[in-house]
Amino acid sequence: KAGVTQTPRYLIKTRGQQVTLSCSPISGHRSVSWYQQTPGQGLQFLFEYFSETQRNKGNFPGRFSGRQFSNSRSEMNVSTLELGDSALYLCASSLGTDQPQHFGDGTRLSIL
Amino acid sequence: GEDVEQSLFLSVREGDSSVINCTYTDSSSTYLYWYKQEPGAGLQLLTYIFSNMDMKQDQRLTVLLNKKDKHLSLRIADTQTGDSAIYFCAESESNSNSGYALNFGKGTSLLVTP
Repeated sequence: KAGVTQTPRYLIKTRGQQVTLSCSPISGHRSVSWYQQTPGQGLQFLFEYFSETQRNKGNFPGRFSGRQFSNSRSEMNVSTLELGDSALYLCASSLGTDQPQHFGDGTRLSIL
Repeated sequence: GEDVEQSLFLSVREGDSSVINCTYTDSSSTYLYWYKQEPGAGLQLLTYIFSNMDMKQDQRLTVLLNKKDKHLSLRIADTQTGDSAIYFCAESESNSNSGYALNFGKGTSLLVTP
């Protein structure tokens, strides 16, 4: 069974640009969550989707947005990139509410 | 959410047991989790324990849960150099929309020396 797949693995952008990251969950998993990992702040929750609906959102500015498609695949978008957005962005999927989450290898985003 | 606390660093000799401790905050967590992260990789779900259990054993891994003290520990028996990694403790938090999120500790860096 394939795991959680995130693309691309690495991205380099400049300040002010926008970026879209993609996540394909484990087959049959309907919940997809996104997390940001930085050395200073650690792992922080961004948002969670289930059946194309955002059910939970972390404390991030509106520049961070996401969506989920009918096949459970998810994308997150960051607009007007700032230097502080440099991080490893991790996607996780699970069967449903409060079920163990399985993570992908992440997308490492570097802002110049 | 509130802080999940872990010690930041642990060093053990190969073949010894490792014990990583964690204190969590959300008493309503259904599960409590241990994840492992190796350099350049994502998080690997190592093990998890249902909140109404006291102990779970899975091969070399033993998880102990003390709900009264909100204390979780991970014991790795016969620690190997391949166990060197960062270990994260996590609790789950739910909201009124049936949404949920994992709240992580800062991670414990485990160094296993030959």
